[in-house]
Amino acid sequence: NAGVTQTPKFQVLKTGQSMTLQCAQDMNHEYMSWYRQDPGMGLRLIHYSVGAGITDQGEVPNGYNVSRSTTEDFPLRLLSAAPSQTSVYFCASRSQGARYQETQYFGPGTRLLVL
Amino acid sequence: DQQVKQNSPSLSVQEGRISILNCDYTNSMFDYFLWYKKYPAEGPTFLISISSIKDKNEDGRFTVFLNKSAKHLSLHIVPSQPGDSAVYFCAASAMDSNYQLIWGAGTKLIIKP
Repeated sequence: NAGVTQTPKFQVLKTGQSMTLQCAQDMNHEYMSWYRQDPGMGLRLIHYSVGAGITDQGEVPNGYNVSRSTTEDFPLRLLSAAPSQTSVYFCASRSQGARYQETQYFGPGTRLLVL
Repeated sequence: DQQVKQNSPSLSVQEGRISILNCDYTNSMFDYFLWYKKYPAEGPTFLISISSIKDKNEDGRFTVFLNKSAKHLSLHIVPSQPGDSAVYFCAASAMDSNYQLIWGAGTKLIIKP
């Protein structure tokens, strides 16, 4: 059981370049989300999805797009990378029916450096 | 303005002793609190949680205490073991926020042999 997988593990971009961070889960979870973690700060929610075809913004959505065409995949797109998007990105998933977050599973993270 | 604060960036504890990690919050609407543990190059993993209707929850070596009047919670680890060395995040959610989590900045716990 792979759980939540993220690719790539590490990426260097130049300002203005675009890229997609991939996230996949094999637990049939309805709810998926993207967080970023910056030094000295907690994880902050970027976007989330409660099911295929449904997405919504989190706390820090600017500069990022998401889509959810399947239950398994939830890619995060940076259309024009900026140095402020240098961060570690975590994807997570959980069963939508769970009120509480114990069942939220995180991927290993993608470290992104924008020059 | 951070709604969940972990004021100690790091904490060093002798193996076998008690580790106490603290967390303060400002939003009185928070009704559920969680602690996550994170090792380097891995995602956070759930550790223990507590509902606002309780003031204590225990799971093996881990106990979380909640003081609602002080808007403060703490995680106690007894006894501390080398494998407990990690970053610990406090997180909170409110029923009216679609259960989205608000995270503290984390405390790096170092267990010394």
